[in-house]
Amino acid sequence: DIVMTQFPDSLAVSLGERATITCNSSQSVFSSTNNKNLLAWYQQKPGQPPKMLIYWASTRKSGVPDRFSGSGSGTDFALTISSLQAEDVAVYYCQQYHSILCNFGQGTKLEIK
Amino acid sequence: EVQLVQSGAEVKKPGESLKISCEASGYIFSNYWIGWVRQMPGKGLEWMGIIFPSESETRYSPSFQGQVTISVDKSISTAYLQWSSLTASDSGMYYCVRTGHYWGQGTLVTVSS
Repeated sequence: DIVMTQFPDSLAVSLGERATITCNSSQSVFSSTNNKNLLAWYQQKPGQPPKMLIYWASTRKSGVPDRFSGSGSGTDFALTISSLQAEDVAVYYCQQYHSILCNFGQGTKLEIK
Repeated sequence: EVQLVQSGAEVKKPGESLKISCEASGYIFSNYWIGWVRQMPGKGLEWMGIIFPSESETRYSPSFQGQVTISVDKSISTAYLQWSSLTASDSGMYYCVRTGHYWGQGTLVTVSS
């Protein structure tokens, strides 16, 4: 199994400031078949199912604000929110889909400072 | 449009059996893997297992092997998650997820005496 580890577990950032969450996989999630990293980022707000923000590690899903960006390759990835808005308060998860068992990170709770 | 519609909330007693469903539409059901994700109250997302409807090939995460059964009925484009004997620790929200990051709305399972 590929184990996904996020850092930090919780994060408090002031409105308008940058927030960065990191994600490490226990083995590479790069696919030589399509030259892509099989890594997604999700946002989950209370009482709602997870919403995908980023796939292929850095491709923003249609409709997701451009303040959200993904980066990284191989085993180390990051989700950055360039200017935190109040509506971004949520729990964020990374997920690998390189393995058939598509494990998630433990989640990072993002709050306003 | 791809849609995954899950069955409604369930309240069960310990020791009872349960089968929840995920009805797919908007694509060729047999051609895409469908997985199940557990979210216990206040906790993170856990990948339980996955099935390929065409051949009913199934894989389980180690924590869920032997604890649940994943199946499909191709004739009605529906995937299932079932328990033979529920315990309180099975309480939580369960999501079906299709490859390509399509999610059902979730089924809340409550197991209480």
